[in-house]
Amino acid sequence: GAVVSQHPSWVICKSGTSVKIECRSLDFQATTMFWYRQFPKQSLMLMATSNEGSKATYEQGVEKDKFLINHASLTLSTLTVTSAHPEDSSFYICSARLTSGSDEQFFGPGTRLTVL
Amino acid sequence: GIQVEQSPPDLILQEGANSTLRCNFSDSVNNLQWFHQNPWGQLINLFYIPSGTKQNGRLSATTVATERYSLLYISSSQTTDSGVYFCAVDTGKLIFGQGTTLQVKP
Repeated sequence: GAVVSQHPSWVICKSGTSVKIECRSLDFQATTMFWYRQFPKQSLMLMATSNEGSKATYEQGVEKDKFLINHASLTLSTLTVTSAHPEDSSFYICSARLTSGSDEQFFGPGTRLTVL
Repeated sequence: GIQVEQSPPDLILQEGANSTLRCNFSDSVNNLQWFHQNPWGQLINLFYIPSGTKQNGRLSATTVATERYSLLYISSSQTTDSGVYFCAVDTGKLIFGQGTTLQVKP
């Protein structure tokens, strides 16, 4: 199956700092990637859709100035959490959609962010 | 928006038992995927199944799109099957159900 990586797998930062999370499709090209957030014991919540070469589309209630998304190539999307606060602590997961054949999505292993 | 409901929310099985997980959705969808989230948080693709029946080892899935539901069957369950099972429907973006938490006891 298609492989998606995320880096870092976990990060601890101080309140007020910014954190960048990378999502890469390793063996396929992805014109569309997605960013999700998951709180403990809850389901995945879509934050934004990232399209290569264009601006991301954010879900209602997600602050675009706080969660900056860049999709500069067909294999890389980044999520930057700016001026992080403790309430931003969460598990962030990206996915990439196949562009040929089916439109199945494959998920990265997730990044656990803790803001102190 | 579309609603996705999974049942049961929690399930405890003895090793070797069979189980059926259900996913109901409230509107037409492009496709449907089943995932297993392991204890480390990784979502593992189980099935991409917009309609019909598919089998992969001890797992099989059936989607009846006209009646807006999908079923995931787990046979001869093993302790490694423990974790959370999600269905997600695709309307241009994936909408997840709340998941079924499965615990398989030895």
